[in-house]
Order: sequence, then structure tokens, then C-alpha cells
Amino acid sequence: KNQVEQSPQSLIILEGKNCTLQCNYTVSPFSNLRWYKQDTGRGPVSLTIMTFSENTKSNGRYTATLDADTKQSSLHITASQLSDSASYICVVSASLIDYKLSFGAGTTVTVRA
Amino acid sequence: EPEVTQTPSHQVTQMGQEVILRCVPISNHLYFYWYRQILGQKVEFLVSFYNNEISEKSEIFDDQFSVERPDGSNFTLKIRSTKLEDSAMYFCASSYSGTVTYEQYFGPGTRLTVT
Repeated sequence: KNQVEQSPQSLIILEGKNCTLQCNYTVSPFSNLRWYKQDTGRGPVSLTIMTFSENTKSNGRYTATLDADTKQSSLHITASQLSDSASYICVVSASLIDYKLSFGAGTTVTVRA
Repeated sequence: EPEVTQTPSHQVTQMGQEVILRCVPISNHLYFYWYRQILGQKVEFLVSFYNNEISEKSEIFDDQFSVERPDGSNFTLKIRSTKLEDSAMYFCASSYSGTVTYEQYFGPGTRLTVT
């Protein structure tokens, strides 16, 4: 069964600090991996999409990495801001025809002043 | 910027009643999706829809569920006889294409509460 596991479950960081979130997956075959940001009570918003041939992608202060050999990805948040407080979800697709996404449980990030 | 919209934002219904959740996808998008998220749990895929038919559905999407694109702009999810365990946030999403190049854009969700 396709699995997407994220760690930590939650973390608290001070404004201005950096943090790194982890994602391990067993989805096969692998097509692409996405990181989404989900504010409380809202729909997920895409941060990055990486295919198996990409090993890093940035979107502003967010940088995602992918190791398709070890089936691991990370999301690094640089110089965190209060607005970064949200759930960050790792999502993996097994198909080139992207009908179905497998979601991780998310990491809840709380940024404190 | 175009966005996916959903109505209502919150729906309360009694067990056994039918509910219809509505979504207006981004206008030039061709692929449509429904997901659900039970409180405190991960987002789960329900169904994808293209060219007026279901492309793929999960094991959650049983005979109690149906989807429809009634008028070329709306995309609806119907639950025929709601159960307590159907209480969840339901997200609609749309994309221009079904391939990885094109992002899925999510709506703000409809919170369904079954009592």
C-alpha cells in the first residue's frame, strides 16, 4: 500500500529561525512529489512540485529536496515568519496521469514571535 | 487570480439525509477532483472527473456518492444517505490537465457535519 510518512508531527520555532520538515514515502511507481501549505480551515496550497529527475526546488523561502533513491524529501523554511504557521503536507503521486494523490498527515508548524 | 470556490462553507445535516456539495472550478480547467479530510486526519482522495465521466475513484467513493457537472461550470458531490462518519471537510480541486505539469488548485472546503 502506498504510504507517505512525515516527521515531526509538530514543531514550534521562533520567528526568523529556520526549520526542516521530513517526508518518507513508499509510493510506487513514483511520479512526482509535492509540498502543500494548509492554513487552518482552508484548502491546501501548492508550494513545490518535483519529478523523479529533480532533486531540489525553491519557492521563495521554501526549498524542497528529493532523494528518489532513498524515497525521502525535505522542506526547508528559511527565516520563518508568523504567517508560516500552518500544516505542511507532503503529497506523492504514483502516476504520470495525475488522477490520484497520496497525502501525508502533515507537520504542524507554529512560529512564535 | 482565478480560484476554486465551494458552497456552502458549512453544512449541517441529519443522518440519512441527502446532501449536495457544490464547487465552481477554475474556468479553463478540465480535470476535477473531490477530497475529504476528517478532523485531525490526512486528506483522502475521493474521485477524479474528466470529460463528463469518472476517471478514478477510491474505495471510499461507494454507491452513496456521486458526482456531476450539471451545467458546464458547477461540479457537485452528492451523498445520498449521510452517515455520522461522513462528517468531514470536503475539498474540491481542479487542474487544466491531468499530467504532473499542471497543478491542482484546491477550494476552501465545505465542512459537513452529520448529526
